[in-house]
Amino acid sequence: NAGVTQTPKFQVLKTGQSMTLQCAQDMNHEYMSWYRQDPGMGLRLIHYSVGAGITDQGEVPNGYNVSRSTTEDFPLRLLSAAPSQTSVYFCASRSGTGFYEQYFGPGTRLTVT
Amino acid sequence: AQTVTQSQPEMSVQEAETVTLSCTYDTSESDYYLFWYKQPPSRQMILVIRQEAYKQQNATENRFSVNFQKAAKSFSLKISDSQLGDAAMYFCAYRALGGSEKLVFGKGTKLTVNP
Repeated sequence: NAGVTQTPKFQVLKTGQSMTLQCAQDMNHEYMSWYRQDPGMGLRLIHYSVGAGITDQGEVPNGYNVSRSTTEDFPLRLLSAAPSQTSVYFCASRSGTGFYEQYFGPGTRLTVT
Repeated sequence: AQTVTQSQPEMSVQEAETVTLSCTYDTSESDYYLFWYKQPPSRQMILVIRQEAYKQQNATENRFSVNFQKAAKSFSLKISDSQLGDAAMYFCAYRALGGSEKLVFGKGTKLTVNP
């Protein structure tokens, strides 16, 4: 059971480039989310999904796109990278029943120059 | 909007001693969940302890316990018999019950454990 996996672990982009951060979970969780963590701040919700085909915006969605075609995968797309998107990105998942505990991936450190 | 405040940016404790990390939150909801997450230098977010607001009994997990004061909207974490491996950033987080997917995090407290 790998839990929540994220790739890549590190990435450097130039301003204006696009890329996709990958996230997968093998726990059959309905809910998946993307957060970003900036220095001196806690995590902030970017986008989330309550099931395959259903996504919604979180607190800081601008500049990011998501889709959920399968239960397992929830990629985050940066459409045109900006230095303000330099951050650590966490993917998380949870079951729709029970205690609602979030399981987090190991994070992706993204630098935009 | 819900907010979570951790008023101690940094704390330190001697190995084997006890330390308490503070967290207050603001919400108009009556049912919600509260969590403490640990983030070591590896960056992995690890759930330490959780509390359901409708339960009056304070949660305990081994050396970790909370003091949940619902009326005061306070949720402090007590670490007993501190170990070197407890050194990390600790985040308090809130989630409303049902509906909202958003975990609201505080800014974190950096805990140093001195040998």
